Amino acid sequence: GPKVLQIPSHQIIDMGQMVTLNCDPVSNHLYFYWYKQILGQQMEFLVNFYNGKVMEKSKLFKDQFSVERPDGSYFTLKIQPTALEDSAVYFCASSPGQNTEVFFGKGTRLTVV
Amino acid sequence: QQQVRQSSQSLTVWEGETAILNCSYENSAFDYFPWYQQFPGEGPALLIAIRSVSDKKEDGRFTIFFNKREKNLSLHIKDSQPGDSATYFCAASPYTGNYKYVFGAGTRLKVIA
Repeated sequence: GPKVLQIPSHQIIDMGQMVTLNCDPVSNHLYFYWYKQILGQQMEFLVNFYNGKVMEKSKLFKDQFSVERPDGSYFTLKIQPTALEDSAVYFCASSPGQNTEVFFGKGTRLTVV
Repeated sequence: QQQVRQSSQSLTVWEGETAILNCSYENSAFDYFPWYQQFPGEGPALLIAIRSVSDKKEDGRFTIFFNKREKNLSLHIKDSQPGDSATYFCAASPYTGNYKYVFGAGTRLKVIA
């Protein structure tokens, strides 16, 4: 089936540094999402993105977070600066439209040390 | 506040048995309930979903039973196979905004041959 690719699968970063998580969504999909999963807990919605804009974000989407998809390339989540509590698995997802199936990537495990 | 709750963290059944995974929710506005299946090292994949206008949805060996009044639902996996061993996430959203899923913490199913 359709694949959402996330690069890298694991990233270790020093606290205070900037990190960019990359997502290659399914081609022709128009809606993009990030979810965060702390170890042992449920996945939580961070943000969704459509037509070059953030549509909705949760309270987990701190000011240090930003998303973009320049020129139809990777959909990225940038954290600047990182904090220890940002350590989690970040799942990217995409869907062709609203009210349609959402496809998830394998996740990027971010470890902030 | 945990809006979607899965009653078991883990469940073990023998091959051929029916595995029953339970889920409950709090928000009456939730209208769409997908179940996601996740194998280790993979992203969650949509397994089966139901809308609140229905009380049952069947797809092969997988059936969702939904009780709107009680705000609970269950996923039944008939004739469980070792290949069904995975983590199953119950999720919920208002149908018109299905991008903003609220996930349960997941139930890890193990099917023993």
